[in-house]
Amino acid sequence: AQSVSQHNHHVILSEAASLELGCNYSYGGTVNLFWYVQYPGQHLQLLLKYFSGDPLVKGIKGFEAEFIKSKFSFNLRKPSVQWSDTAEYFCAVNARGATNKLIFGTGTLLAVQP
Amino acid sequence: KAGVTQTPRYLIKTRGQQVTLSCSPISGHRSVSWYQQTPGQGLQFLFEYFSETQRNKGNFPGRFSGRQFSNSRSEMNVSTLELGDSALYLCASSESTGGETQYFGPGTRLLVL
Repeated sequence: AQSVSQHNHHVILSEAASLELGCNYSYGGTVNLFWYVQYPGQHLQLLLKYFSGDPLVKGIKGFEAEFIKSKFSFNLRKPSVQWSDTAEYFCAVNARGATNKLIFGTGTLLAVQP
Repeated sequence: KAGVTQTPRYLIKTRGQQVTLSCSPISGHRSVSWYQQTPGQGLQFLFEYFSETQRNKGNFPGRFSGRQFSNSRSEMNVSTLELGDSALYLCASSESTGGETQYFGPGTRLLVL
């Protein structure tokens, strides 16, 4: 069965600390990979996506993610977090060329302390 | 371009009633998907519509249904509401189908009493 695992459910960091959120997926075919963010009281927004090409993708607000095919991973990173990065982060996959159905991870709640 | 809009934003219903939620996609987008978000189950796919046809359906009972109109607007309906249907229902649109990027609306928060 297709699934997405996010290993960190809650992360607390101080401002300027580095961030890495883990995401692993299980799927038998070719996938597109996404990170979405949900700020408090706001709707889900796309942070970045990987379809093909360079496995290191850059998104908005200084976020980046690296696709490692051999590890079925798509970890999210940011070198220096800000208080405004406090939000819930979701990793998601869909089957390339087949359907838009997104399979989401359980989410990681990030709290950045000023 | 205006984003995905959903109406109503908040809804309170009682068990046994039915509810219809509406979604207007981004202009030019022809695919609409629906998701249910709850604290316990997270984000779960309900169904996807493209060009008025249901392309895919998630693992939900038949009480959950949807449709898409020729202008790409979509509605979802939940009949015989149960307490467990209380959730945030999210609509997402994309230009086409087949693994496209989806853009989400603000959601409709449904409370079933």
